[in-house]
Amino acid sequence: DIQVTQSPSALSASVGDRVTITCRASQSISNWLAWYQQKPGKAPKLLIYKASSLESGVPSRFSGSGSGTEFALTISSLQPDDFGTYYCQQYDRFPLTFGQGTRLEIK
Amino acid sequence: EVQLVESGGGPVKPGGSLRLSCAASGFTFRTYTMNWVRQAPGKGLEWVASISSEGRYISYADSLKGRFTISRDNAKNSLSLQMNSLRAEDTAVYYCARVAVEMAINREVDYWGQGTLVTVSA
Repeated sequence: DIQVTQSPSALSASVGDRVTITCRASQSISNWLAWYQQKPGKAPKLLIYKASSLESGVPSRFSGSGSGTEFALTISSLQPDDFGTYYCQQYDRFPLTFGQGTRLEIK
Repeated sequence: EVQLVESGGGPVKPGGSLRLSCAASGFTFRTYTMNWVRQAPGKGLEWVASISSEGRYISYADSLKGRFTISRDNAKNSLSLQMNSLRAEDTAVYYCARVAVEMAINREVDYWGQGTLVTVSA
Protein backbone atom coordinates (compact mmCIF):
# COMPACT_ATOMS: atom_id res chain seq x y z
CA ASP A 1 0.00 0.00 0.00
CA ILE A 2 1.11 3.57 -0.64
CA GLN A 3 1.54 5.53 2.58
CA VAL A 4 0.94 9.26 2.50
CA THR A 5 2.52 11.39 5.20
CA GLN A 6 1.51 14.99 5.77
CA SER A 7 3.32 17.66 7.71
CA PRO A 8 2.86 19.53 9.88
CA SER A 9 -0.04 17.95 11.74
CA ALA A 10 -1.15 21.38 12.93
CA LEU A 11 -0.21 24.96 12.40
CA SER A 12 -1.31 28.41 13.40
CA ALA A 13 -0.83 31.40 11.11
CA SER A 14 -2.00 34.96 10.71
CA VAL A 15 -4.15 36.51 8.03
CA GLY A 16 -1.94 37.41 5.09
CA ASP A 17 0.69 34.77 5.85
CA ARG A 18 1.97 32.36 3.23
CA VAL A 19 1.28 28.81 4.38
CA THR A 20 2.67 25.55 3.01
CA ILE A 21 1.59 22.01 3.84
CA THR A 22 3.60 19.09 2.52
CA CYS A 23 2.69 15.55 1.63
CA ARG A 24 5.09 12.71 0.99
CA ALA A 25 4.16 9.43 -0.69
CA SER A 26 5.99 6.20 0.14
CA GLN A 27 6.51 5.52 -3.57
CA SER A 28 6.10 7.47 -6.77
CA ILE A 29 2.52 8.39 -7.61
CA SER A 30 3.34 10.61 -10.61
CA ASN A 31 0.94 13.54 -10.17
CA TRP A 32 -2.07 11.56 -8.94
CA LEU A 33 -2.63 13.58 -5.82
CA ALA A 34 -5.51 15.70 -4.56
CA TRP A 35 -5.90 18.20 -1.73
CA TYR A 36 -9.10 18.69 0.25
CA GLN A 37 -10.25 21.18 2.86
CA GLN A 38 -12.64 20.10 5.58
CA LYS A 39 -14.43 22.32 8.06
CA PRO A 40 -15.94 20.99 11.31
CA GLY A 41 -19.12 19.03 10.75
CA LYS A 42 -18.88 19.31 6.97
CA ALA A 43 -17.85 17.08 4.09
CA PRO A 44 -14.43 17.64 2.54
CA LYS A 45 -14.11 20.03 -0.38
CA LEU A 46 -11.81 19.42 -3.34
CA LEU A 47 -9.20 22.14 -3.79
CA ILE A 48 -6.48 20.73 -6.04
CA TYR A 49 -6.33 17.67 -8.30
CA LYS A 50 -3.53 16.11 -10.34
CA ALA A 51 -1.12 17.74 -7.89
CA SER A 52 -1.37 21.25 -9.33
CA SER A 53 -4.74 21.75 -11.06
CA LEU A 54 -7.06 24.16 -9.30
CA GLU A 55 -10.64 22.95 -8.93
CA SER A 56 -13.23 25.26 -10.43
CA GLY A 57 -14.44 27.89 -7.99
CA VAL A 58 -11.49 27.56 -5.62
CA PRO A 59 -9.70 30.85 -4.92
CA SER A 60 -6.43 31.36 -6.77
CA ARG A 61 -4.52 31.85 -3.50
CA PHE A 62 -4.51 28.04 -3.29
CA SER A 63 -1.90 26.27 -5.37
CA GLY A 64 -0.39 22.80 -5.53
CA SER A 65 2.99 21.59 -6.65
CA GLY A 66 5.15 18.50 -6.83
CA SER A 67 5.32 15.13 -8.53
CA GLY A 68 6.65 11.69 -7.77
CA THR A 69 6.78 11.50 -3.99
CA GLU A 70 6.95 15.10 -2.76
CA PHE A 71 3.99 17.48 -2.91
CA ALA A 72 2.93 20.77 -1.40
CA LEU A 73 -0.21 22.83 -0.94
CA THR A 74 0.42 26.56 -0.62
CA ILE A 75 -1.95 29.30 0.45
CA SER A 76 -0.34 32.51 -0.79
CA SER A 77 -2.15 34.93 1.51
CA LEU A 78 -4.11 33.32 4.33
CA GLN A 79 -7.71 34.46 4.75
CA PRO A 80 -10.00 34.03 7.79
CA ASP A 81 -12.13 31.51 5.92
CA ASP A 82 -9.16 29.20 5.33
CA PHE A 83 -9.35 27.56 8.77
CA GLY A 84 -10.03 23.86 8.86
CA THR A 85 -8.26 20.58 8.27
CA TYR A 86 -6.45 19.85 5.02
CA TYR A 87 -5.93 16.38 3.61
CA CYS A 88 -3.92 15.06 0.72
CA GLN A 89 -4.98 11.87 -1.05
CA GLN A 90 -3.19 9.67 -3.52
CA TYR A 91 -5.21 7.98 -6.25
CA ASP A 92 -2.42 6.43 -8.26
CA ARG A 93 -3.49 2.97 -7.18
CA PHE A 94 -5.75 1.10 -4.79
CA PRO A 95 -6.09 1.16 -1.88
CA LEU A 96 -6.66 4.90 -2.05
CA THR A 97 -4.98 6.58 0.88
CA PHE A 98 -5.25 9.91 2.66
CA GLY A 99 -2.71 11.82 4.66
CA GLN A 100 -3.44 12.13 8.35
CA GLY A 101 -4.50 15.76 7.99
CA THR A 102 -3.17 19.20 8.88
CA ARG A 103 -5.26 21.34 11.19
CA LEU A 104 -4.92 25.01 10.27
CA GLU A 105 -5.81 27.65 12.82
CA ILE A 106 -6.02 31.35 12.16
CA LYS A 107 -4.25 33.39 14.85
CA GLU B 1 -27.08 20.36 -9.25
CA VAL B 2 -25.23 17.25 -8.11
CA GLN B 3 -26.66 15.82 -4.90
CA LEU B 4 -25.63 12.80 -2.89
CA VAL B 5 -27.83 11.93 0.07
CA GLU B 6 -26.84 9.15 2.44
CA SER B 7 -29.21 7.28 4.70
CA GLY B 8 -29.29 4.18 6.85
CA GLY B 9 -26.89 5.14 9.62
CA GLY B 10 -27.67 4.77 13.30
CA PRO B 11 -26.80 2.78 16.39
CA VAL B 12 -25.99 -0.93 16.10
CA LYS B 13 -24.57 -3.51 18.48
CA PRO B 14 -21.18 -5.15 17.90
CA GLY B 15 -21.58 -8.06 15.53
CA GLY B 16 -24.64 -6.52 13.95
CA SER B 17 -25.32 -5.43 10.38
CA LEU B 18 -26.34 -2.23 8.71
CA ARG B 19 -27.00 -1.19 5.14
CA LEU B 20 -26.19 2.34 4.02
CA SER B 21 -27.70 3.90 0.94
CA CYS B 22 -26.81 6.91 -1.16
CA ALA B 23 -29.34 8.55 -3.48
CA ALA B 24 -27.69 10.38 -6.36
CA SER B 25 -29.20 13.08 -8.54
CA GLY B 26 -28.18 15.90 -10.86
CA PHE B 27 -25.76 13.87 -12.97
CA THR B 28 -25.57 10.72 -15.10
CA PHE B 29 -24.99 8.29 -12.25
CA ARG B 30 -24.27 5.27 -14.44
CA THR B 31 -21.12 6.85 -15.92
CA TYR B 32 -19.27 7.61 -12.66
CA THR B 33 -17.25 5.50 -10.27
CA MET B 34 -18.51 5.93 -6.71
CA ASN B 35 -16.74 5.62 -3.38
CA TRP B 36 -17.50 5.24 0.29
CA VAL B 37 -15.18 7.15 2.60
CA ARG B 38 -15.47 7.17 6.38
CA GLN B 39 -14.28 9.34 9.23
CA ALA B 40 -14.16 8.15 12.82
CA PRO B 41 -14.97 10.80 15.45
CA GLY B 42 -12.10 13.26 15.70
CA LYS B 43 -10.03 11.30 13.18
CA GLY B 44 -8.96 11.59 9.57
CA LEU B 45 -10.50 10.37 6.34
CA GLU B 46 -10.35 6.69 5.44
CA TRP B 47 -11.27 5.27 2.04
CA VAL B 48 -13.61 2.28 2.39
CA ALA B 49 -14.56 1.03 -1.08
CA SER B 50 -14.99 1.93 -4.74
CA ILE B 51 -17.25 0.60 -7.47
CA SER B 52 -16.82 1.43 -11.15
CA SER B 53 -19.59 2.88 -13.29
CA GLU B 54 -21.02 -0.48 -14.42
CA GLY B 55 -20.05 -2.30 -11.26
CA ARG B 56 -17.41 -4.44 -12.97
CA TYR B 57 -14.51 -3.20 -10.88
CA ILE B 58 -14.75 -3.17 -7.08
CA SER B 59 -12.05 -2.51 -4.53
CA TYR B 60 -12.05 -2.47 -0.72
CA ALA B 61 -9.78 -1.27 2.04
CA ASP B 62 -7.72 -4.16 3.36
CA SER B 63 -8.87 -3.48 6.91
CA LEU B 64 -12.45 -4.48 6.11
CA LYS B 65 -11.50 -8.13 5.54
CA GLY B 66 -14.62 -9.06 3.61
CA ARG B 67 -17.14 -7.65 6.08
CA PHE B 68 -18.39 -4.86 3.80
CA THR B 69 -19.98 -5.09 0.34
CA ILE B 70 -20.41 -2.14 -2.02
CA SER B 71 -23.05 -2.26 -4.74
CA ARG B 72 -24.98 0.01 -7.03
CA ASP B 73 -28.27 0.13 -8.91
CA ASN B 74 -27.84 2.36 -11.94
CA ALA B 75 -31.55 2.14 -12.78
CA LYS B 76 -32.35 3.69 -9.40
CA ASN B 77 -29.33 6.04 -9.19
CA SER B 78 -28.42 4.39 -5.92
CA LEU B 79 -25.23 3.30 -4.15
CA SER B 80 -25.19 0.94 -1.18
CA LEU B 81 -22.83 -0.36 1.46
CA GLN B 82 -23.74 -3.55 3.29
CA MET B 83 -21.82 -3.71 6.56
CA ASN B 84 -21.68 -6.99 8.51
CA SER B 85 -19.95 -8.14 11.69
CA LEU B 86 -19.67 -4.54 12.82
CA ARG B 87 -17.07 -3.57 15.40
CA ALA B 88 -16.63 -0.57 17.65
CA GLU B 89 -13.85 0.67 15.38
CA ASP B 90 -16.34 0.93 12.49
CA THR B 91 -18.00 3.83 14.30
CA ALA B 92 -17.72 6.75 11.89
CA VAL B 93 -19.45 9.16 9.58
CA TYR B 94 -19.77 7.42 6.22
CA TYR B 95 -19.63 9.59 3.12
CA CYS B 96 -20.83 8.73 -0.35
CA ALA B 97 -18.44 10.33 -2.83
CA ARG B 98 -18.30 10.73 -6.60
CA VAL B 99 -15.14 10.41 -8.64
CA ALA B 100 -14.57 13.53 -10.73
CA VAL B 101 -14.07 12.03 -14.18
CA GLU B 102 -16.65 10.05 -16.13
CA MET B 103 -15.70 6.45 -16.79
CA ALA B 104 -12.48 6.77 -14.76
CA ILE B 105 -11.92 4.37 -11.90
CA ASN B 106 -9.46 6.01 -9.53
CA ARG B 107 -9.55 9.78 -9.59
CA GLU B 108 -10.10 12.61 -7.17
CA VAL B 109 -13.50 13.07 -5.52
CA ASP B 110 -15.39 16.17 -6.56
CA TYR B 111 -18.73 15.67 -4.80
CA TRP B 112 -19.47 14.34 -1.33
CA GLY B 113 -22.70 13.65 0.51
CA GLN B 114 -23.38 15.09 3.93
CA GLY B 115 -22.51 11.81 5.60
CA THR B 116 -24.40 9.37 7.80
CA LEU B 117 -23.23 8.42 11.29
CA VAL B 118 -22.84 4.78 12.23
CA THR B 119 -22.36 4.08 15.93
CA VAL B 120 -21.34 0.59 16.98
CA SER B 121 -21.78 0.14 20.70
CA ALA B 122 -23.16 -2.37 23.16
